[in-house]
Amino acid sequence: AQKITQTQPGMFVQEKEAVTLDCTYDTSDPSYGLFWYKQPSSGEMIFLIYQGSYDQQNATEGRYSLNFQKARKSANLVISASQLGDSAMYFCAMREGMDSGGYQKVTFGTGTKLQVIP
Amino acid sequence: DGGITQSPKYLFRKEGQNVTLSCEQNLNHDAMYWYRQDPGQGLRLIYYSQIVNDFQKGDIAEGYSVSREKKESFPLTVTSAQKNPTAFYLCATRSGTSGGTYEQYFGPGTRLTVT
Repeated sequence: AQKITQTQPGMFVQEKEAVTLDCTYDTSDPSYGLFWYKQPSSGEMIFLIYQGSYDQQNATEGRYSLNFQKARKSANLVISASQLGDSAMYFCAMREGMDSGGYQKVTFGTGTKLQVIP
Repeated sequence: DGGITQSPKYLFRKEGQNVTLSCEQNLNHDAMYWYRQDPGQGLRLIYYSQIVNDFQKGDIAEGYSVSREKKESFPLTVTSAQKNPTAFYLCATRSGTSGGTYEQYFGPGTRLTVT
């Protein structure tokens, strides 16, 4: 089974509108964390937001919020008031605990390409 | 300025040649990672290193080698044994501080083309 599933290969949103990017995950580890990264056409990955499995409230960072529904194993990214500069690939990722060597395994989804229309 | 540098941005090689991709960081982070990204796919882990002089294989280590002689540097060698080396390679770091969000910081990437 896929650890991280992003079912939307591409999305369009009108400038200034809100958009939700979907992410579902699969883990049996009670301690895990979920990340969203943005990858512009330049290629570098930019960290946006993080949600820990024990966090009671949904994470927010400026125009980004993470809609965390633990029972449904979903961690959707909501971008409010979209801007042209938001056009990029967006990746959901999950860390699952640590092994004895202190390594936290991080798994990435296949990404969603968001295009903001003027 | 603190950050991660990867050089060069674009690299071209002939099949059968080994090539080394550079990754340098001045964030004073303990952990460093190498990922490979192919079109339409997410990132896949090649190698990681938690401390100097120690590194571990990731999910797709075959045909790759690394070294970690200094905290700041984690070079990746793509050997001739790697069957499909053409890809985008990303280096990342993470602070070793316990707790926190554990997010990774990424370099700008190197696009390797082998013909």
